[in-house]
Amino acid sequence: AQSVTQLDSQVPVFEEAPVELRCNYSSSVSVYLFWYVQYPNQGLQLLLKYLSGSTLVKGINGFEAEFNKSQTSFHLRKPSVHISDTAEYFCAVMGPNYGQNFVFGPGTRLSVLP
Amino acid sequence: ETGVTQTPRHLVMGMTNKKSLKCEQHLGHNAMYWYKQSAKKPLELMFVYNFKEQTENNSVPSRFSPECPNSSHLFLHLHTLQPEDSALYLCASSQNTGRDFYGYTFGSGTRLTVV
Repeated sequence: AQSVTQLDSQVPVFEEAPVELRCNYSSSVSVYLFWYVQYPNQGLQLLLKYLSGSTLVKGINGFEAEFNKSQTSFHLRKPSVHISDTAEYFCAVMGPNYGQNFVFGPGTRLSVLP
Repeated sequence: ETGVTQTPRHLVMGMTNKKSLKCEQHLGHNAMYWYKQSAKKPLELMFVYNFKEQTENNSVPSRFSPECPNSSHLFLHLHTLQPEDSALYLCASSQNTGRDFYGYTFGSGTRLTVV
């Protein structure tokens, strides 16, 4: 079974600074990896996903993530954050087989300060 | 608008009431899900429907009763809830076709408060 760890429950950062949100997973098989964002009082919105191919994945709103198989990580990065990036970010993993469900991480609260 | 619509957005109900949450998707997906999101807790998967058949029930109390009349609609019927059931209830859908999977599409959720 897969599991997901997001070591940082809260990340405060100043506007226009770079940010990295960490995600590590455990799995003995190949997986698909996702990052979702949740703005206040909203559902989850897909930021980006890794299914196969290039390990550097670009998503919406200037975010990108890099899949590192040896370190079983999928960290999310943005070179310059905006106030509007303040939200909860969830990493998720899914096994490659049909019918397997998502496993979500506990989430990281990103607070962008002026 | 993500393509998954949940109604109502907010609901306040007493412990003796009966209410239903509705989820509708027009994405042509064949799987639908109910999640519970409580403050300071991870997302909890409640129910899974694949091709209208319930394939998972994660030990959810019987006061929550799902219904999936067709592949586009999903309901969550609520009765005799407890205050600890207050949470954001999220519906999601996905297209599961063998090896192809592109993630879940979530609705905006229903904020439920049990008084």
